[in-house]
Amino acid sequence: EVQLVESGGGLVQPGGSLRLSCAASGFTFSSYEMNWVRQAPGKGLEWVSYITSSANTIYYADSVKGRFTISRDNAKNSLYLQMNSLRAEDTAVYYCARDREPGTQDAFDIWGQGTMVTVSS
Amino acid sequence: QSVLTQPPSVSAAPGQKVTISCSGSSSNIGNNYVSWYQQLPGTAPKLLIYDNNKRPSGIPERFSGSKSGTSATLGITGLQTGDEADYYCGTWDSSLSAYVFGTGTKVTVL
Repeated sequence: EVQLVESGGGLVQPGGSLRLSCAASGFTFSSYEMNWVRQAPGKGLEWVSYITSSANTIYYADSVKGRFTISRDNAKNSLYLQMNSLRAEDTAVYYCARDREPGTQDAFDIWGQGTMVTVSS
Repeated sequence: QSVLTQPPSVSAAPGQKVTISCSGSSSNIGNNYVSWYQQLPGTAPKLLIYDNNKRPSGIPERFSGSKSGTSATLGITGLQTGDEADYYCGTWDSSLSAYVFGTGTKVTVL
């Protein structure tokens, strides 16, 4: 079964750090571009970051640029999001999502169940 | 502050049809493929439409997509109570070098 499972969410104080992980299974992880998408409570979807299969191209939303770092370990079939200098507005459910087809950047066909990040004192 | 605009809500009776619009610009919808996602309450989003009008395996023909210029439309026919959800359009924005989602539309079955 094709699956993505996020972990690492939790409660963190403003200014703190957190590292999210996404474990992939059921497909050749190293062949696919991956993304992080978040959703604040009661709000819409917001794309956060993108990484190519070989990690040679990375993009970030302006709202997280300079604070978040996306990475991957193809040997471990895992995607990561290092989040530093966290703010209250970063509070959200964070989803990892797979690009439908390598090189297309057109749609996300597989999503994880999400992990909740709460930034509060 | 999404760059893609959708109506906040649409509604119709069971069996009827609804359409959801998604308005963008030349840097996103105008020059890139549009996808649509369904998010049932308390669950992760699910891909409904990709490449403007293609359905992934397992998505019923009741769901359709189209694109014209800088706008896209999702259509749902034969509306069912199970279709009550939030729907989002999405596409790559070449100017922003970012994927952008629409503001989201809540579908209510009356």
